[in-house]
Amino acid sequence: DVKVTQSSRYLVKRTGEKVFLECVQDMDHENMFWYRQDPGLGLRLIYFSYDVKMKEKGDIPEGYSVSREKKERFSLILESASTNQTSMYLCASSRAPNNEQFFGPGTRLTVL
Amino acid sequence: SQQGEEDPQALSIQEGENATMNCSYKTSINNLQWYRQNSGRGLVHLILIRSNEREKHSGRLRVTLDTSKKSSSLLITASRAADTASYFCATVEGAQKLVFGQGTRLTINP
Repeated sequence: DVKVTQSSRYLVKRTGEKVFLECVQDMDHENMFWYRQDPGLGLRLIYFSYDVKMKEKGDIPEGYSVSREKKERFSLILESASTNQTSMYLCASSRAPNNEQFFGPGTRLTVL
Repeated sequence: SQQGEEDPQALSIQEGENATMNCSYKTSINNLQWYRQNSGRGLVHLILIRSNEREKHSGRLRVTLDTSKKSSSLLITASRAADTASYFCATVEGAQKLVFGQGTRLTINP
């Protein structure tokens, strides 16, 4: 059974903290994605990666960075968390950029 | 950027009835995909229809695509309580990434 896992389901952090969200997939997919989901705004792409050590900005990269040191792992980093980054974060992977995406369960992040 | 737009935003029907959701998009596409999301969970891929296909079936799901109208519909037949979820269409922008609509929230009443 294919699987995408995320390090936490719920996370509470303070403003200014550095936050790491980790995503691991076991399908040997080249492509991995980070989205945030907010009511009324749908899913918005933050960053994506086509290969190890490769990254591309999505639609809303400001305030975020990513790391992909291994094929199976894609990390999202909030350098200095702010309250407007309170959201549901979803990780996904796919074999090709325009193929079906497999999603993790999501991390609901609250920044106080 | 281009975005699929689902219609209606919310739909409530009785168990056993059929549910139809629509998606419109703005530019040419490579393929269009439908996803389901149960409350507070990740998205699950339901079906992919390519730009040269007009209709596709998967179990109780039927998807149509009309590229001349830039629209797609998802039909769920004989709905069940477990079908209660949000449904999203996603279009492939260029050859690189999916762009999701804001979804239709479907409620199946027992």
